[in-house]
Amino acid sequence: KAGVTQTPRYLIKTRGQQVTLSCSPISGHRSVSWYQQTPGQGLQFLFEYFSETQRNKGNFPGRFSGRQFSNSRSEMNVSTLELGDSALYLCASSLQASTEAFFGQGTRLTVV
Amino acid sequence: GESVGLHLPTLSVQEGDNSIINCAYSNSASDYFIWYKQESGKGPQFIIDIRSNMDKRQGQRVTVLLNKTVKHLSLQIAATQPGDSAVYFCAAVPSGGYNKLIFGAGTRLAVHP
Repeated sequence: KAGVTQTPRYLIKTRGQQVTLSCSPISGHRSVSWYQQTPGQGLQFLFEYFSETQRNKGNFPGRFSGRQFSNSRSEMNVSTLELGDSALYLCASSLQASTEAFFGQGTRLTVV
Repeated sequence: GESVGLHLPTLSVQEGDNSIINCAYSNSASDYFIWYKQESGKGPQFIIDIRSNMDKRQGQRVTVLLNKTVKHLSLQIAATQPGDSAVYFCAAVPSGGYNKLIFGAGTRLAVHP
Protein backbone atom coordinates (compact mmCIF):
# COMPACT_ATOMS: atom_id res chain seq x y z
CA LYS A 1 0.00 0.00 0.00
CA ALA A 2 1.45 3.34 -1.04
CA GLY A 3 2.28 5.84 1.69
CA VAL A 4 1.53 9.54 1.84
CA THR A 5 2.94 11.29 -1.19
CA GLN A 6 3.88 14.94 -1.18
CA THR A 7 4.91 16.92 -4.22
CA PRO A 8 7.17 18.58 -4.96
CA ARG A 9 9.92 17.51 -2.55
CA TYR A 10 11.86 20.74 -2.90
CA LEU A 11 10.82 24.22 -3.92
CA ILE A 12 12.55 27.59 -4.11
CA LYS A 13 10.40 30.69 -4.36
CA THR A 14 10.93 34.44 -4.20
CA ARG A 15 9.40 36.71 -1.57
CA GLY A 16 5.96 37.87 -2.62
CA GLN A 17 5.22 34.87 -4.78
CA GLN A 18 2.66 32.21 -3.98
CA VAL A 19 3.08 28.46 -3.80
CA THR A 20 0.86 25.39 -3.89
CA LEU A 21 1.87 22.12 -2.28
CA SER A 22 0.16 18.81 -2.90
CA CYS A 23 -0.55 15.80 -0.72
CA SER A 24 -1.98 12.43 -1.70
CA PRO A 25 -3.09 10.47 1.37
CA ILE A 26 -3.01 6.74 1.84
CA SER A 27 -5.85 5.07 -0.01
CA GLY A 28 -8.94 4.98 2.17
CA HIS A 29 -7.77 7.75 4.49
CA ARG A 30 -10.15 10.68 4.52
CA SER A 31 -8.42 12.93 7.04
CA VAL A 32 -5.48 15.06 5.91
CA SER A 33 -3.54 17.39 8.18
CA TRP A 34 -0.80 19.86 7.38
CA TYR A 35 2.12 20.90 9.57
CA GLN A 36 4.96 23.37 9.30
CA GLN A 37 8.33 22.32 10.70
CA THR A 38 11.09 24.85 11.39
CA PRO A 39 14.18 24.66 13.63
CA GLY A 40 12.89 27.55 15.73
CA GLN A 41 9.22 26.70 16.14
CA GLY A 42 9.27 22.94 15.71
CA LEU A 43 6.22 21.18 14.32
CA GLN A 44 3.14 23.39 14.19
CA PHE A 45 -0.35 22.42 13.12
CA LEU A 46 -1.72 24.33 10.14
CA PHE A 47 -5.11 22.76 9.40
CA GLU A 48 -6.99 19.49 9.03
CA TYR A 49 -9.48 18.43 6.38
CA PHE A 50 -11.98 15.63 6.37
CA SER A 51 -14.37 14.91 3.51
CA GLU A 52 -13.51 18.21 1.85
CA THR A 53 -14.28 20.21 5.01
CA GLN A 54 -11.80 22.03 7.18
CA ARG A 55 -12.42 20.77 10.71
CA ASN A 56 -9.59 22.44 12.55
CA LYS A 57 -7.20 25.31 12.00
CA GLY A 58 -3.99 26.37 13.69
CA ASN A 59 -2.72 29.86 14.45
CA PHE A 60 -1.38 30.87 11.09
CA PRO A 61 -2.21 34.00 9.08
CA GLY A 62 -4.78 33.94 6.32
CA ARG A 63 -2.00 33.70 3.74
CA PHE A 64 -2.01 29.99 4.52
CA SER A 65 -4.97 28.16 3.07
CA GLY A 66 -5.85 24.68 2.00
CA ARG A 67 -8.45 22.52 0.44
CA GLN A 68 -9.36 18.90 -0.01
CA PHE A 69 -10.80 17.25 -3.07
CA SER A 70 -13.41 14.52 -3.33
CA ASN A 71 -10.67 11.89 -3.75
CA SER A 72 -9.15 13.08 -0.41
CA ARG A 73 -6.12 14.61 -2.05
CA SER A 74 -5.25 17.92 -0.48
CA GLU A 75 -3.42 21.08 -1.42
CA MET A 76 -2.15 23.92 0.66
CA ASN A 77 -1.42 27.36 -0.65
CA VAL A 78 0.74 30.12 0.74
CA SER A 79 0.35 33.56 -0.79
CA THR A 80 2.65 36.57 -0.57
CA LEU A 81 5.55 34.46 0.61
CA GLU A 82 7.84 35.77 3.35
CA LEU A 83 11.35 34.65 4.24
CA GLY A 84 9.98 33.19 7.46
CA ASP A 85 7.80 30.80 5.50
CA SER A 86 10.89 28.77 4.66
CA ALA A 87 10.21 25.41 6.28
CA LEU A 88 9.49 21.75 5.81
CA TYR A 89 5.76 21.33 5.17
CA LEU A 90 4.44 17.96 6.22
CA CYS A 91 1.19 16.31 5.37
CA ALA A 92 -0.33 13.49 7.42
CA SER A 93 -3.25 11.23 6.64
CA SER A 94 -5.32 9.07 8.94
CA LEU A 95 -8.54 7.18 9.24
CA GLN A 96 -11.33 9.11 10.88
CA ALA A 97 -11.16 7.44 14.26
CA SER A 98 -7.52 6.44 14.28
CA THR A 99 -4.83 8.04 16.37
CA GLU A 100 -2.15 6.89 13.97
CA ALA A 101 -1.31 9.63 11.51
CA PHE A 102 1.00 8.68 8.65
CA PHE A 103 3.29 11.43 7.49
CA GLY A 104 4.73 12.08 4.08
CA GLN A 105 8.37 13.04 3.56
CA GLY A 106 7.43 16.67 3.28
CA THR A 107 8.05 19.53 0.90
CA ARG A 108 11.09 21.65 1.66
CA LEU A 109 10.18 25.25 0.80
CA THR A 110 12.91 27.87 0.62
CA VAL A 111 11.92 31.51 0.20
CA VAL A 112 14.67 33.81 -1.05
CA GLY B 1 -4.14 26.23 24.99
CA GLU B 2 -2.11 23.08 25.00
CA SER B 3 1.66 23.21 25.00
CA VAL B 4 4.05 20.33 25.14
CA GLY B 5 7.64 20.53 26.24
CA LEU B 6 10.57 18.16 26.49
CA HIS B 7 13.10 18.02 29.29
CA LEU B 8 16.28 17.42 27.29
CA PRO B 9 17.20 18.42 23.76
CA THR B 10 19.80 15.64 23.34
CA LEU B 11 20.19 12.20 24.86
CA SER B 12 23.27 10.04 24.31
CA VAL B 13 23.19 6.35 25.19
CA GLN B 14 25.30 3.28 24.63
CA GLU B 15 24.02 0.57 22.35
CA GLY B 16 22.15 -2.01 24.39
CA ASP B 17 21.23 0.39 27.18
CA ASN B 18 17.68 1.48 27.91
CA SER B 19 16.66 5.02 26.90
CA ILE B 20 14.12 7.22 28.60
CA ILE B 21 12.78 10.32 26.88
CA ASN B 22 10.58 12.64 28.88
CA CYS B 23 7.84 15.08 28.01
CA ALA B 24 5.67 17.49 29.99
CA TYR B 25 2.31 18.84 28.91
CA SER B 26 0.23 21.71 30.19
CA ASN B 27 -3.41 21.00 29.38
CA SER B 28 -5.21 18.22 31.21
CA ALA B 29 -7.95 18.08 28.58
CA SER B 30 -6.11 15.94 26.04
CA ASP B 31 -7.68 12.75 24.73
CA TYR B 32 -4.44 10.97 24.02
CA PHE B 33 -0.73 11.33 23.57
CA ILE B 34 1.51 10.03 20.84
CA TRP B 35 5.22 9.47 20.39
CA TYR B 36 6.81 9.97 16.98
CA LYS B 37 10.27 9.24 15.65
CA GLN B 38 11.77 11.37 12.91
CA GLU B 39 14.87 10.33 11.02
CA SER B 40 16.85 12.75 8.94
CA GLY B 41 15.09 13.61 5.68
CA LYS B 42 11.91 11.78 6.62
CA GLY B 43 8.54 12.64 8.05
CA PRO B 44 7.63 11.66 11.63
CA GLN B 45 6.86 8.00 12.13
CA PHE B 46 4.25 6.82 14.64
CA ILE B 47 5.75 4.78 17.50
CA ILE B 48 3.08 4.35 20.12
CA ASP B 49 0.12 6.17 21.62
CA ILE B 50 -1.67 6.18 24.94
CA ARG B 51 -5.15 7.34 25.85
CA SER B 52 -5.61 9.72 28.74
CA ASN B 53 -7.44 7.06 30.80
CA MET B 54 -4.38 4.79 30.77
CA ASP B 55 -1.13 4.88 32.78
CA LYS B 56 1.03 2.58 30.74
CA ARG B 57 1.16 0.99 27.35
CA GLN B 58 3.73 -1.36 25.88
CA GLY B 59 4.80 -2.02 22.34
CA GLN B 60 7.72 -3.79 20.79
CA ARG B 61 10.76 -2.62 22.82
CA VAL B 62 8.92 0.57 23.75
CA THR B 63 6.83 1.55 26.75
CA VAL B 64 4.96 4.78 27.28
CA LEU B 65 4.11 5.97 30.78
CA LEU B 66 1.58 8.67 31.52
CA ASN B 67 1.46 10.45 34.87
CA LYS B 68 -1.59 12.69 34.82
CA THR B 69 -0.94 14.00 38.32
CA VAL B 70 2.24 15.77 37.28
CA LYS B 71 1.30 15.99 33.57
CA HIS B 72 4.29 13.96 32.49
CA LEU B 73 4.82 11.49 29.68
CA SER B 74 7.82 9.27 29.05
CA LEU B 75 9.00 6.92 26.33
CA GLN B 76 11.21 4.04 27.32
CA ILE B 77 13.18 2.19 24.66
CA ALA B 78 14.65 -1.12 25.72
CA ALA B 79 18.00 -2.37 24.41
CA THR B 80 18.59 0.74 22.32
CA GLN B 81 20.01 0.06 18.88
CA PRO B 82 21.87 2.32 16.40
CA GLY B 83 18.73 2.35 14.26
CA ASP B 84 16.93 4.11 17.11
CA SER B 85 19.04 7.23 16.55
CA ALA B 86 16.60 9.95 15.58
CA VAL B 87 14.62 12.88 16.96
CA TYR B 88 11.70 11.85 19.14
CA PHE B 89 8.60 13.98 19.55
CA CYS B 90 5.72 13.68 21.92
CA ALA B 91 2.40 15.05 20.75
CA ALA B 92 -0.90 15.70 22.46
CA VAL B 93 -4.34 15.64 20.91
CA PRO B 94 -6.65 18.14 22.60
CA SER B 95 -10.19 17.01 23.36
CA GLY B 96 -12.29 17.53 20.28
CA GLY B 97 -9.15 18.27 18.33
CA TYR B 98 -9.83 15.61 15.73
CA ASN B 99 -6.44 14.92 14.16
CA LYS B 100 -4.78 18.10 15.43
CA LEU B 101 -1.45 17.25 17.03
CA ILE B 102 0.37 19.60 19.42
CA PHE B 103 4.03 18.63 19.21
CA GLY B 104 6.81 19.08 21.71
CA ALA B 105 10.20 20.44 20.71
CA GLY B 106 11.84 17.06 20.21
CA THR B 107 14.72 15.14 21.78
CA ARG B 108 17.61 13.93 19.68
CA LEU B 109 18.63 10.41 20.65
CA ALA B 110 22.20 9.47 19.75
CA VAL B 111 23.14 5.81 20.15
CA HIS B 112 26.86 5.05 20.44
CA PRO B 113 28.37 1.61 19.77
